Amino acid sequence: AQSVTQLGSHVSVSEGALVLLRCNYSSSVPPYLFWYVQYPNQGLQLLLKYTSAATLVKGINGFEAEFKKSETSFHLTKPSAHMSDAAEYFCAAEGWAGNMLTFGGGTRLMVKP
Amino acid sequence: GAGVSQSPRYKVAKRGQDVALRCDPISGHVSLFWYQQALGQGPEFLTYFQNEAQLDKSGLPSDRFFAERPEGSVSTLKIQRTQQEDSAVYLCASSLGGGVGEETQYFGPGTRLLVL
Repeated sequence: AQSVTQLGSHVSVSEGALVLLRCNYSSSVPPYLFWYVQYPNQGLQLLLKYTSAATLVKGINGFEAEFKKSETSFHLTKPSAHMSDAAEYFCAAEGWAGNMLTFGGGTRLMVKP
Repeated sequence: GAGVSQSPRYKVAKRGQDVALRCDPISGHVSLFWYQQALGQGPEFLTYFQNEAQLDKSGLPSDRFFAERPEGSVSTLKIQRTQQEDSAVYLCASSLGGGVGEETQYFGPGTRLLVL
């Protein structure tokens, strides 16, 4: 079965430090890939979306992700973490079986002052 | 405009009770999805509607789960004879069209169900 794997269920960084959240997918055909953010008691909010137009995708709030077919990865980065970035982040894929999303297990990002 | 709304936001049920969870998608959105998010896990697909047609219900975990969208807008997810393992956050999402990879899914805040 196709799957999305997020390495590290918890990531802690200092404010101002680089944020790197890892996502790998299992597929020989790159699907559509997404990163969503979830703040407490809120719904998922789309950060960015890969649709094969460009391998480096820029999203909201200074986040970006790079699609690497050879590594089946779609890691999320941000050069400088802010306290407001503390949230749960989900990587997701679409296209393996229709238009439903297949999610990774999520990574909780904690930002230390 | 308004986003996706869900009600109730929280529901406590005794084991064996039936529950109904409501989703109001963004007006005009053709596609509607239900996902189940267990504690500490990513959301998992339950079912998908295009207008009033339920095109995929492969993710429903048992025949106790039933979803409908009779007029192609509001949807209800019903769980009969709830069990403790049904405790989760139930997320609803809608998108404008139905094409794969073409449309962004917009999520509601979810209904947190606790079965005692």
